[in-house]
Amino acid sequence: SQQGEEDPQALSIQEGENATMNCSYKTSINNLQWYRQNSGRGLVHLILIRSNEREKHSGRLRVTLDTSKKSSSLLITASRAADTASYFCAAISGGGADGLTFGKGTHLIIQP
Amino acid sequence: DAGVIQSPRHEVTEMGQEVTLRCKLISGHNSLFWYRQTMMRGLELLIYFNNNVPIDDSGMPEDRFSAKMPNASFSTLKIQPSEPRDSAVYFCASSSGPGGRNIQYFGAGTRLSVL
Repeated sequence: SQQGEEDPQALSIQEGENATMNCSYKTSINNLQWYRQNSGRGLVHLILIRSNEREKHSGRLRVTLDTSKKSSSLLITASRAADTASYFCAAISGGGADGLTFGKGTHLIIQP
Repeated sequence: DAGVIQSPRHEVTEMGQEVTLRCKLISGHNSLFWYRQTMMRGLELLIYFNNNVPIDDSGMPEDRFSAKMPNASFSTLKIQPSEPRDSAVYFCASSSGPGGRNIQYFGAGTRLSVL
């Protein structure tokens, strides 16, 4: 797999606002995955979007994929304090047989 | 299912000692991944097994690190001898298929401190 680069590195918003994080990658992909990590815990899978998909929803989460720009975005609507966490993307190349390679993540802080 | 189980949760040891980290996969999963997380380097893939066979160990830092899968549901990551720069949180994850095609389920991690 290849490393996804998350942007921004840190994001602080007020509760109730929407949060948008971006992920860029370098070569063609099989799929792209977003994970969340709460402080002191392991990563938790959020959404997997395949290369032939453009948008996916899961509850308050919306993920878009633009293969022409080699980028993806994760939108969290109506943010809550419990959304405070680090968010990582992993871009899986080729046949998808490799392990995941993560970037440094976006650290999201939701201010009450 | 209890999820991926790692032990111990915390390990404090002295430089030069052997450290063994353990991981129990989710029942039915056949891929196992070991990661290391530090502030400086982020989350790094160390090694990846599929059906008990190591597929990619290019992330293993050096010969002091070794990983095994003695059976389909259990893995160990051993560091011998340990050094202070090995201090990190070590995660294992399992999935129901090879590589990155499927969702990975992470354990809670082992926080290792080498003094």
